[in-house]
Amino acid sequence: NAGVTQTPKFQVLKTGQSMTLQCAQDMNHNSMYWYRQDPGMGLRLIYYSASEGTTDKGEVPNGYNVSRLNKREFSLRLESAAPSQTSVYFCASSGPIQGYRSYEQYFGPGTRLTVT
Amino acid sequence: AQSVTQLGSHVSVSEGALVLLRCNYSSSVPPYLFWYVQYPNQGLQLLLKYTTGATLVKGINGFEAEFKKSETSFHLTKPSAHMSDAAEYFCAVSTTSGGSYIPTFGRGTSLIVHP
Repeated sequence: NAGVTQTPKFQVLKTGQSMTLQCAQDMNHNSMYWYRQDPGMGLRLIYYSASEGTTDKGEVPNGYNVSRLNKREFSLRLESAAPSQTSVYFCASSGPIQGYRSYEQYFGPGTRLTVT
Repeated sequence: AQSVTQLGSHVSVSEGALVLLRCNYSSSVPPYLFWYVQYPNQGLQLLLKYTTGATLVKGINGFEAEFKKSETSFHLTKPSAHMSDAAEYFCAVSTTSGGSYIPTFGRGTSLIVHP
């Protein structure tokens, strides 16, 4: 199993440009999450999807949109990038493991985004 | 509402010394508690978790943590630090919201291990 994969690994954008960060998981998890990590701030939740077909705002949703394309894939879109969105973005998933309820999250390797 | 406080953004120890990373939480319902580790340029991976049952939980790489309800704490310890333990450590508390478990993360503690 690949676990949680994210593309791209690195991206540089100019202010005002748009882009979509892709995330996929192969663990058959119901829930997926997008976080941003900034120095000294820990992880802050942008959006999450409790199950296929639902999405909800997290702590810092402004400037972002998400799509839960199917059970495997959850994308994050920046419509008009701003320098304040320079960050490392992590996707995570959680769900039952071998039929048993599991509460922990599994993280992707991250996307390092710079907006100039 | 839930919150997590990690005391100390940086902790420095010598190789072979005790590691103690502190985590206090607030939660209005019984929490699920986690410690994650992040090595440079990688994602987070689970070290250990407390959900129910035994309050002393053991994780990977010799780490353990004890859930103390009266102190609302979940401190992470390791008897003897190794150079490979140098990393960022995150404490998280999770409660359920609409069927999904939404964790709140602390700001992280960077563990520095000196030879």
